[in-house]
Amino acid sequence: DSGVTQTPKHLITATGQRVTLRCSPRSGDLSVYWYQQSLDQGLQFLIHYYNGEERAKGNILERFSAQQFPDLHSELNLSSLELGDSALYFCASSVGQGAQGANVLTFGAGSRLTVL
Amino acid sequence: GENVEQHPSTLSVQEGDSAVIKCTYSDSASNYFPWYKQELGKRPQLIIDIRSNVGEKKDQRIAVTLNKTAKHFSLHITETQPEDSAVYFCAPLIDLGGGADGLTFGKGTHLIIQP
Repeated sequence: DSGVTQTPKHLITATGQRVTLRCSPRSGDLSVYWYQQSLDQGLQFLIHYYNGEERAKGNILERFSAQQFPDLHSELNLSSLELGDSALYFCASSVGQGAQGANVLTFGAGSRLTVL
Repeated sequence: GENVEQHPSTLSVQEGDSAVIKCTYSDSASNYFPWYKQELGKRPQLIIDIRSNVGEKKDQRIAVTLNKTAKHFSLHITETQPEDSAVYFCAPLIDLGGGADGLTFGKGTHLIIQP
């Protein structure tokens, strides 16, 4: 157990639907990152939150949104789902927010989304 | 956007031999260079990292070397074992703009250890 908790582990839904993925970071970590991993693809950076504020955006679609709550857990909302959104969505947490300090990411087990 | 490339995409070696995976990046300001290992169906895990003030770091059978001038760093695994079979990702820290930076993952190298 890495200390980063993601729910649900598996989710099957239909095109056009909306889902919410949840992540609880490791105790003491203030940063939460979301990554998308499609088949045969690397880890695509989606978005980064630090202590409740958005810090950086990657290749995140407009249909996707995220937030980090005061208790530091984060949610990734995926709407108007398409077949191509089927992927493994990882959440990772770290203590800090950048290169100044250690930026080791601890990953959760991932949420596997299947869109039919 | 920033470019991160890994080579090779697939590497097959005999058990006991060495494996080397290379990662090139384009952001000359990058100063943190980790390697992550992802076993089938599992989460990525950090196996070794290096900062730009050193050229090499070793941890038992694993080492990372950095050439900042040429903007590449490599993962070296010696005396490979079956449990080394996995996908390996480099993830240099890249400036994302606006005062933020983040790890940008390569597409991964599938390492296969042949018995």
